[in-house]
Amino acid sequence: QQQVKQSPQSLIVQKGGIPIINCAYENTAFDYFPWYQQFPGKGPALLIAIRPDVSEKKEGRFTISFNKSAKQFSLHIMDSQPGDSATYFCAASTGNQFYFGTGTSLTVIP
Amino acid sequence: GAVVSQHPSRVICKSGTSVKIECRSLDFQATTMFWYRQFPKQSLMLMATSNEGSKATYEQGVEKDKFLINHASLTLSTLTVTSAHPEDSSFYICSARDKTSGGPWQYFGPGTRLTVT
Repeated sequence: QQQVKQSPQSLIVQKGGIPIINCAYENTAFDYFPWYQQFPGKGPALLIAIRPDVSEKKEGRFTISFNKSAKQFSLHIMDSQPGDSATYFCAASTGNQFYFGTGTSLTVIP
Repeated sequence: GAVVSQHPSRVICKSGTSVKIECRSLDFQATTMFWYRQFPKQSLMLMATSNEGSKATYEQGVEKDKFLINHASLTLSTLTVTSAHPEDSSFYICSARDKTSGGPWQYFGPGTRLTVT
């Protein structure tokens, strides 16, 4: 059973657009929700993370919106650039349990 | 800070041989290290979790006798793929948690591409 459901699977936007990637979870014990960026042939890199007591967190061009009641969270990338083209994974964790979403392949067209 | 290295980055081996992959936390002590496997265009699949000085906890379906994990120190964990076969070819990624920060975040290594011929 997929603990974290992520959508869409792929996304294409124009430069300057705001891609939005969504994730949903069921386990209310999750207490940490990070987003990772992965380029081909590289390991994932932590982008931004949020705790469930916060509804929004912004770091640079990346923003997480968190809806605790709906058990959903999303990543927004402002003013997207071709260099943002990568695969993005959401995750949810509690203790040593750490679950990744299925990933979203983002392409930003110049 | 918070750098995790893996060695080697790429390895090609013949079927039936064993391969060891090292994962090191370079500038912090890791309470826990994790090993993942990733197939092309797929998500990361957790294989096992290891704490320094204790036996690794393997996820369901992962053969512990085939994927040997040793977490000998707070900065080093190794994954040995024993008697490798072509179906073991994959991208293996480790991650580590920082002991001093106490936070839940994981720092990932750059991955090791294993090809078994």
